[in-house]
Parts: sequence; C-alpha cells; structure tokens
Amino acid sequence: QSALTQPASVSGSPGQSITISCTGTSSDVGGYNYVSWYQQHPGKAPKLMIYDVSNRPSGVSNRFSGSKSGNTASLTISGLQAEDEADYYCSSYTSSSTLVFGTGTKVTVL
Amino acid sequence: EVQLLESGGGLVQPGGSLRLSCAASGFTFSSYAMSWVRQAPGKGLEWVSAISGSGGSTYYADSVKGRFTISRDNSKNTLYLQMNSLRAEDTAVYYCAKAYYDILTGYYSYYYYMDVWGKGTTVTVSS
Repeated sequence: QSALTQPASVSGSPGQSITISCTGTSSDVGGYNYVSWYQQHPGKAPKLMIYDVSNRPSGVSNRFSGSKSGNTASLTISGLQAEDEADYYCSSYTSSSTLVFGTGTKVTVL
Repeated sequence: EVQLLESGGGLVQPGGSLRLSCAASGFTFSSYAMSWVRQAPGKGLEWVSAISGSGGSTYYADSVKGRFTISRDNSKNTLYLQMNSLRAEDTAVYYCAKAYYDILTGYYSYYYYMDVWGKGTTVTVSS
C-alpha cells in the first residue's frame, strides 16, 4: 500500500486560508469516506483534527474543515494562526482493511 | 484522564526480536480497538497494526505482516506488539493509539481513527 500523496509544504500569512491536498486511489480515498486528518507539532504525538472526511472532533477549531472529491481529499485551514504551524497528515481506510497515511505536509505561517 | 504509556523500545540487532507494551488507563480498555503507528526519524507516520477490543480481529500493514504480532490483555489493560525478524527499516518511534469515540454523539470509529496517543517508544535496529 503506497502512502497517499500530499504536498511537502504549504505556507500562508496569518489570517489567510490554505488548503492541503491528499491524493489516493479508488481503493482508499476514493472508495471510502473514512478519511481523516492529523496535526503533529514537533516532538509531539499526532492529534485528530478531521474524521469521516469533514467532521471535527469536539474541541477542534471550526477553522479546520475537510472535503473530498473523487480520489482527492482536502484540508482547509482558515484564519491561519501561528499555532497552526505543524505537520499535517491525511489518512484513509483501504480495501485491504488497512489504514494508509499521507506523506505529510509542513505548514508554515509566514 | 485517559493515558497511554508505551515501553519496551531499545536497540536490537537486525534479525532480532522485541516486544513493545502499551499500558492504558482512564478508560474501559476492552471497549476500544487499539493501533500501533510508527514514525521513522524525520519521516512521516506509518500505520502498523490494529486490534479489536476483544482481541478477536487483527489487522497488519503489508510491511510487517508475518513478522509482527499485535495482541492485548484486557485484564491488564495492556496492548502489545511482538516484533520479530527486525530490519533496519523498522527503526522508528512506535506510538500506541486508542480508537476515537465521541462522548457527545456516541460515535465510535473502530480502528479507523485515533483520538488518544501515547508519547511513543523508540526502536533502533542496528548492528
């Protein structure tokens, strides 16, 4: 199972919106709505930010939103803040009953 | 407070074995699927394995199938990962993680999502 494809880096100024893409295949992202996004700050464990493509766990800011079209899922961060600077990973359930993570995207707040 | 604490990491030679443990507290351990996720130095996350709450169902990434075995002892609130035939590419921080449950909606994600993670234990495979 190959990792889902994400851009290596995305940057934006405070207050702006950015979008991170996550491209898979019909055997993972395109075939199921079990897509999630995780935020990971350096030296810390990941944090679940989005599940079921577009749902936010309790306590996650509504500045984070998710969507999916075909084999590509997306995470949008609106009103970018300094604390959003981190690595972001998408994840999807697969037809092999496994999970696959994305390659990861480093978000930089300029 | 929900907590997960991994242990058992260390330095092992290629071809060797290691058993990781993850002690859980603060929740009804047997009610939740659990997963192991690893992260090689400077690299991204890689899902390794998952197990159902009862332990009756297990799932593995292709990269570890046949070499790693996930198990749990619900009487001890502990998750395990037995790692055999270790390779240099198994070098990573290994995290255990609990399946996501939303107390407000009652939504339970099985192993598809993880909402509580441990701090990780480091495994180094080198001669």
